[in-house]
Amino acid sequence: GQQLNQSPQSMFIQEGEDVSMNCTSSSIFNTWLWYKQDPGEGPVLLIALYKAGELTSNGRLTAQFGITRKDSFLNISASIPSDVGIYFCAGQLGGGATNKLIFGTGTLLAVQP
Amino acid sequence: NAGVMQNPRHLVRRRGQEARLRCSPMKGHSHVYWYRQLPEEGLKFMVYLQKENIIDESGMPKERFSAEFPKEGPSILRIQQVVRGDSAAYFCASSPTGRSSPLHFGNGTRLTVT
Repeated sequence: GQQLNQSPQSMFIQEGEDVSMNCTSSSIFNTWLWYKQDPGEGPVLLIALYKAGELTSNGRLTAQFGITRKDSFLNISASIPSDVGIYFCAGQLGGGATNKLIFGTGTLLAVQP
Repeated sequence: NAGVMQNPRHLVRRRGQEARLRCSPMKGHSHVYWYRQLPEEGLKFMVYLQKENIIDESGMPKERFSAEFPKEGPSILRIQQVVRGDSAAYFCASSPTGRSSPLHFGNGTRLTVT
């Protein structure tokens, strides 16, 4: 099935560092979302983006919806140990039968105190 | 907590048995989605249902898998005659509408086939 290309695959950083990850697609999406998944849990929604070019923040997290509608990035500033987890981007065409999400391959983030 | 509820959290089945996974969406949500996640992989879409209707089943295997979301009660994902390759985490998500609304996920059912 279709998947989004997410990079990097994994990141190992020191506490306090900033983090950046991105997601690209060959298809256009109308909505981009970023989720975080902890071990043994379901994905938790972090940020939702609805318009091309939109830049949205949620605390230390900032995400942007690419102008081409084929990409998005997520930045985490001043990382802390509880940021550890797997981050997934997801694209959504929206509307009726296409409301399903297509997920990226994930970025594993490890933060060393 | 009015989140998406899935049960059981863990399910062990022998090859050839049937697995039934249940999902109760968030209150007020009438759209349900099922996803499968293999170890160290992303989530793969399986099926999208609205009350009593299957909207999109493009990710469902053609055989042994079925899903329903009745007027009353939870959504059910059924896997008949399970095989070892069915071992995975199955996540349910719900949304209030079918138009560009974010999906909220449950904590999944981890199916192990022995």
